[in-house]
Amino acid sequence: DTAVSQTPKYLVTQMGNDKSIKCEQNLGHDTMYWYKQDSKKFLKIMFSYNNKELIINETVPNRFSPKSPDKAHLNLHINSLELGDSAVYFCASSQGGTPYEQYFGPGTRLTVT
Amino acid sequence: AQKITQTQPGMFVQEKEAVTLDCTYDTSDQSYGLFWYKQPSSGEMIFLIYQGSYDEQNATEGRYSLNFQKARKSANLVISASQLGDSAMYFCAMRDSMDSNYQLIWGAGTKLIIKP
Repeated sequence: DTAVSQTPKYLVTQMGNDKSIKCEQNLGHDTMYWYKQDSKKFLKIMFSYNNKELIINETVPNRFSPKSPDKAHLNLHINSLELGDSAVYFCASSQGGTPYEQYFGPGTRLTVT
Repeated sequence: AQKITQTQPGMFVQEKEAVTLDCTYDTSDQSYGLFWYKQPSSGEMIFLIYQGSYDEQNATEGRYSLNFQKARKSANLVISASQLGDSAMYFCAMRDSMDSNYQLIWGAGTKLIIKP
């Protein structure tokens, strides 16, 4: 059973398009996250979503919008894609309370041409 | 501000040797947690080991152990008897109790290559 799943695994699209990445976790966790990993492998938190409270990272452009229909799902919608959005996007989840390690999805490699 | 430093961008190690990956952290909080993750070339992020700041003993998980030196603010990962499959990126991360958003602060990673 996949704990944290993401679709699609690969996404190739042109500048200016709008795209979504879906994430689902079956661990019963109450917190979910979106990360961006750049070409140098640096991980950057984009959003965390805990019990319906969205925590927005102020450095994330407002073209990025997370949507959580329920506790098990956190989707990422990106408007007006730019070349600099090309990266690997990871969804993760954790359960509140120590140590609450995060469990990651397989990642979505987004390429904007 | 919290910070995680991994000073080794890359390492080559002979198979079967022990490996130490360095991680230093900076926080003013007394309660915090330290994590290590592995990212093989396939791309997934795999949780390896956790150390709480109040844990008196160093954490161990199979061939992984965490050399926790609180006074030096270091949390080095030790891999015993390295295997070819240990070749991967390794990330150190920290969460402190001041962060109610459960976010982790991440290091830049160390690329480990095990030579046969």
